[in-house]
Amino acid sequence: DSGVTQTPKHLITATGQRVTLRCSPRSGDLSVYWYQQSLDQGLQFLIQYYNGEERAKGNILERFSAQQFPDLHSELNLSSLELGDSALYFCASSPLGQGLYEQYFGPGTRLTVT
Amino acid sequence: TQLLEQSPQFLSIQEGENLTVYCNSSSVFSSLQWYRQEPGEGPVLLVTVVTGGEVKKLKRLTFQFGDARKDSSLHITAAQPGDTGLYLCAGGLASNTGKLIFGQGTTLQVKP
Repeated sequence: DSGVTQTPKHLITATGQRVTLRCSPRSGDLSVYWYQQSLDQGLQFLIQYYNGEERAKGNILERFSAQQFPDLHSELNLSSLELGDSALYFCASSPLGQGLYEQYFGPGTRLTVT
Repeated sequence: TQLLEQSPQFLSIQEGENLTVYCNSSSVFSSLQWYRQEPGEGPVLLVTVVTGGEVKKLKRLTFQFGDARKDSSLHITAAQPGDTGLYLCAGGLASNTGKLIFGQGTTLQVKP
């Protein structure tokens, strides 16, 4: 158990819909990261928040957005869903915001868009 | 675009054999991490290497960071069925972010 929690574990929804994925980091960690893992693309970095502010952005689509709240939990919002958005979405956390600190991954949310 | 090329993509070996997984890039990384992932679960950190030429050992696993900090390898001695899984390398960029670039992964199957 990494200490990072994600809800829900599974999500099935239809194209065009909007969903919210939730992540609680390890106690004391200030940074939260979101990743997308699909069979053809591997694990792709989406976005990083550090202490409530956006720190780094990856190949995140405009239909996707995220935020980190004062209690440090984070939400990833996916809208106008397409079949290709079906994937595993992982949240990770680390104590600070720089690359030398290990990231601890949650169990993931499996999103299926039908 | 920073890329990490991992090889081989798939490896199926017998228990007791040795193996090496490679991770190569044209980019310089501030750190290189290796993760192991089980089906349906999140990646679990195995090791972080930060110094060029650094070698770290974790029981039967040996990790090496290239002198130029562009490549890394994972060597497993006397592989066991419990080593089966997806092995991922991830490079941390020399910046003030925690962004990691992941390789495509190596799926290892160790047959008893």
